[in-house]
Amino acid sequence: QVQLQESGPGLVKPSETLSLTCTVSGGSISSHYWSWIRQPPGKGLEWIGYIYDSGRTNYNRSLKSRVTISVDTSKNQFSLKLNSVTAADTAVYYCARVTGITMVRGVKGNYYYMDVWGKGTTVTVSS
Amino acid sequence: DIQMTQSPSSLSASVGDRVTITCRASQSISNYLNWYQQKPGTAPKLLIYAASSLQSGVPSRFSGSGSGTDFTLTISSLQPEDFATYYCQQSYSALLFGPGTKVDLK
Repeated sequence: QVQLQESGPGLVKPSETLSLTCTVSGGSISSHYWSWIRQPPGKGLEWIGYIYDSGRTNYNRSLKSRVTISVDTSKNQFSLKLNSVTAADTAVYYCARVTGITMVRGVKGNYYYMDVWGKGTTVTVSS
Repeated sequence: DIQMTQSPSSLSASVGDRVTITCRASQSISNYLNWYQQKPGTAPKLLIYAASSLQSGVPSRFSGSGSGTDFTLTISSLQPEDFATYYCQQSYSALLFGPGTKVDLK
């Protein structure tokens, strides 16, 4: 059974770079998409972006200028970097596996959904 | 970007009630719509994908319907463990979430 575990500093100073890693266990990182999602205190979920094992990425337009997601297939890990952070970036950060399928109930399409999640890690931006 | 809205933002219900949550997309997304459940302090859990396909292991009291711009999540008989916040997510372009609907005890 695939499990995900986020790791990284819990405290980041304003203007610095937030760096997190998600380690995939119980399965290969290959042939899947992998995503980062965050949730500010008391607020809803915000999708940050995803990466395929080939390195192809797609980012939320609102964060695109500050975000880099990368993958290390040899370590079965993928990572998030968010630069120039402010207090507004304080959140619980989740990593998730994105499964893609091409047919549902006989209908062709490119269906994606997040079916495995890490437990989340809290990152606070403060001096 | 395609924007997602949910209604209501919160609702109060009793065990055994039939609960319906609505999600609307700012433009047609066909059936590229997922539903998640999140309980306080825990990660979200996938309930429904492709608008109406039940994720493995999810109780059959949960169902999803809709296509185009309007979607619904229905809980046929609310159970104590169903009090949570529910999010829709479009997968037509990017993977953006709706703002959520909190279901609490009346």
